[in-house]
Amino acid sequence: KQEVTQIPAALSVPEGENLVLNCSFTDSAIYNLQWFRQDPGKGLTSLLLIQSSQREQTSGRLNASLDKSSGRSTLYIAASQPGDSATYLCAVGSGANSKLTFGKGITLSVRP
Amino acid sequence: GAVVSQHPSWVICKSGTSVKIECRSLDFQATTMFWYRQFPKQSLMLMATSNEGSKATYEQGVEKDKFLINHASLTLSTLTVTSAHPEDSSFYICSATGQGDTEAFFGQGTRLTVV
Repeated sequence: KQEVTQIPAALSVPEGENLVLNCSFTDSAIYNLQWFRQDPGKGLTSLLLIQSSQREQTSGRLNASLDKSSGRSTLYIAASQPGDSATYLCAVGSGANSKLTFGKGITLSVRP
Repeated sequence: GAVVSQHPSWVICKSGTSVKIECRSLDFQATTMFWYRQFPKQSLMLMATSNEGSKATYEQGVEKDKFLINHASLTLSTLTVTSAHPEDSSFYICSATGQGDTEAFFGQGTRLTVV
């Protein structure tokens, strides 16, 4: 059974700092991995999708990497801003059109 | 990215009544839709997977007679919480994928409060 872990559960940083959010998974036989952002009481916004054959994806100030063999992914946020404050969820997919297994998320607070 | 609309965004109902939540894919055909439940500070837990025109596949421990899922068209899936109880109060989120797609798109979620 796939398990996804995100540690720490919460993180507080000053504005402008570059930061890394970690995600680990137990079964390396994944199809893809997605990073999401969730604001309080809201749904999920997809940030980056990495296919199992890829090593990283970039979008603006965000960069996500994937190391399947070690069961790890990282989300790098450059020059953090207060507007980046949210919960970031990592999810692993086992196949096309298949369910996602989620971590509990990391709640990020960027202080002005 | 593709847009998934979920309605209502919040609902309060009395114990014993039923509540229907709608999930629509606005600009693509959703061959597969997923229904998740999220408790405060917890991860999203999959409740069921539905493919258009087929019966939903429920995860272990999810009562199919209590959480009725209908996926009658390629753009609409509904979740009906029947005979709701306070312990059903939660945040319900749907997601959808298109044919052969690997990226999942999520609705805005529905906050259900049963009083």
